[in-house]
Amino acid sequence: DGGITQSPKYLFRKEGQNVTLSCEQNLNHDAMYWYRQDPGQGLRLIYYSQIVNDFQKGDIAEGYSVSREKKESFPLTVTSAQKNPTAFYLCASSITGGPYEQYFGPGTRLTVT
Amino acid sequence: GENVEQHPSTLSVQEGDSAVIKCTYSDSASNYFPWYKQELGKRPQLIIDIRSNVGEKKDQRIAVTLNKTAKHFSLHITETQPEDSAVYFCAATANAGGTSYGKLTFGQGTILTVHP
Repeated sequence: DGGITQSPKYLFRKEGQNVTLSCEQNLNHDAMYWYRQDPGQGLRLIYYSQIVNDFQKGDIAEGYSVSREKKESFPLTVTSAQKNPTAFYLCASSITGGPYEQYFGPGTRLTVT
Repeated sequence: GENVEQHPSTLSVQEGDSAVIKCTYSDSASNYFPWYKQELGKRPQLIIDIRSNVGEKKDQRIAVTLNKTAKHFSLHITETQPEDSAVYFCAATANAGGTSYGKLTFGQGTILTVHP
């Protein structure tokens, strides 16, 4: 399971707390993505980044924030403003100039109570 | 933006039968259509993809067909095996040829169960 990693695998937080999910890749990919997966709804795009120091909102960005200070890293912060944060979060990366295959990390399951 | 509809939501077949999953998309400019397989608790993995300049693509027991006029594409699995049991997602690009390369829109997923 090398290439793109996410940590931790499971994360528990109290309501009202911000939490940051880690995503690292060693595939030398320029593009990175964050998706949220809920049962019966497929994968929904939260944020994506095509290059370092630049990122764009996806379809469900409200209540989330990201940074892209290094090519290898694209952390996602789930803020207290996110109304339903409990979900499975997947990070992905790809080369640009495509579209091309997106490679996914193993995911982080976040539970907020 | 792009909208992708996937059917059926669940599919149950006997080992050795064929399985077909269908997707429709809304943006006629989309030009890349991947299919991902996700086993329980695992990450999605690409199993096959097709681009709009091709009508069909095969890889062993898996094939994908694309009808650009009707804006739909389908995944065909022949001689199904129990290890094919998983959730399958189709996807399409949102802004093909523009500034949003790789910005995929996913279907809702199909839970495929292959009974021995």
